[in-house]
Amino acid sequence: DADVTQTPRNRITKTGKRIMLECSQTKGHDRMYWYRQDPGLGLRLIYYSFDVKDINKGEISDGYSVSRQAQAKFSLSLESAIPNQTALYFCATSEFPGVRNTGELFFGEGSRLTVL
Amino acid sequence: EDQVTQSPEALRLQEGESSSLNCSYTVSGLRGLFWYRQDPGKGPEFLFTLYSAGEEKEKERLKATLTKKESFLHITAPKPEDSATYLCAVMGNDMRFGAGTRLTVKP
Repeated sequence: DADVTQTPRNRITKTGKRIMLECSQTKGHDRMYWYRQDPGLGLRLIYYSFDVKDINKGEISDGYSVSRQAQAKFSLSLESAIPNQTALYFCATSEFPGVRNTGELFFGEGSRLTVL
Repeated sequence: EDQVTQSPEALRLQEGESSSLNCSYTVSGLRGLFWYRQDPGKGPEFLFTLYSAGEEKEKERLKATLTKKESFLHITAPKPEDSATYLCAVMGNDMRFGAGTRLTVKP
């Protein structure tokens, strides 16, 4: 089983619909992230959370919200989807950077969202 | 604002033809430069972290180097299985990614 699991893997929806993307992890990491990937733009940070009570906006948070339900679960919501939110979304986890680790990100396999 | 620029956007090599990928960056307070590999339909996978100018890391046919303004990912005698998109990221206040270099290695 994957260490970072995203559901759904693919979703097609219509403009104005509410969408939730879910992420769960078995790595035991405190830090979790949501990124979106667009061709030519790379990965951009939407929201991140360093523990259950900590939520922070990233580079492109407008139009998105998140919920950290537990250490292992971090969900991303689009309250009213619009076509320019069509993208590949990745959840990632990391440990606090320290002597034993570099703080690198561990990614899920992505959720492809299409908004018509 | 932190920025990461990767070049070229795409690179096609023959098997065995060595080359380098470039990652130029501006960041206030570099806390690490990361290289990731991404296969189609998959999430990025971690390759290397570099922390200071002059540092080098190697893994099989890949070697990453770092200066104060850029990093290079050198690929020696590549094989078709090295075909992937290679992403560079810098850690300042947060992790910023470049758009990637899509590498194709033909047999």
